[in-house]
Amino acid sequence: EEQLVESGGGLVQPGGSLRVSCAASGFTFTAYWMGWVRQAPGKGLEWVADIKPDESEKYYVDSVKGRFTISRDNAKSSLYLQLNSLGAEDTAVYYCVRDIGWYRFDYWGQGTLVTVSS
Amino acid sequence: QSALTQPPSASGSPGQSVTISCTGTSSDVGGYNYVSWYQQHPGKAPKLMIYDVSKRPSGVPDRFSGSKSGNTASLTVSGLQAEDEADYYCNSFGGSNHVVFGGGTRLTVL
Repeated sequence: EEQLVESGGGLVQPGGSLRVSCAASGFTFTAYWMGWVRQAPGKGLEWVADIKPDESEKYYVDSVKGRFTISRDNAKSSLYLQLNSLGAEDTAVYYCVRDIGWYRFDYWGQGTLVTVSS
Repeated sequence: QSALTQPPSASGSPGQSVTISCTGTSSDVGGYNYVSWYQQHPGKAPKLMIYDVSKRPSGVPDRFSGSKSGNTASLTVSGLQAEDEADYYCNSFGGSNHVVFGGGTRLTVL
């Protein structure tokens, strides 16, 4: 059974950094693009970033370019998102997603909450 | 790119049908058959219900169906059940590594 489990969320001060992780299981991790989608409290869904299986291509929403970095460790079937220069607008639940192509997200993790506040 | 436009709310009685719209442009919804729909219950992760406009993943009841006309995609839930009460989001490939989501529709089963 396909499963995605996020970890690493928490409270961070404005301007701070955090790394969230996603452990994948139940499928061939190296066969899929993976990504992150976030949801601010009481708001809708927003795609954040995507990464190709061999890490040769990475894409970001404009609002996080230069601040967030997506990466993966295929040997560990794990996905990561490094969040730097955080602002209040980055407060959200961050979901790890499996992307079956053209931004069709067929599996979602349970999410990890990142709160940016002083 | 702007978000796709969805009505903020929709409702229906048990057993009835309800349709939720998702309006974009010729650069996203109208230009590609890569529209997906997601169901999200309160406090839970979204779940893929429809992809490629009208395809259902394994395990999704056939009460859920999707369609598209021009720049507007639609999700129809037939034979409404209490457990269908949730938020529904659409998304579409927007070309050149872009994706847009709709703002979400809260479906209430009366």
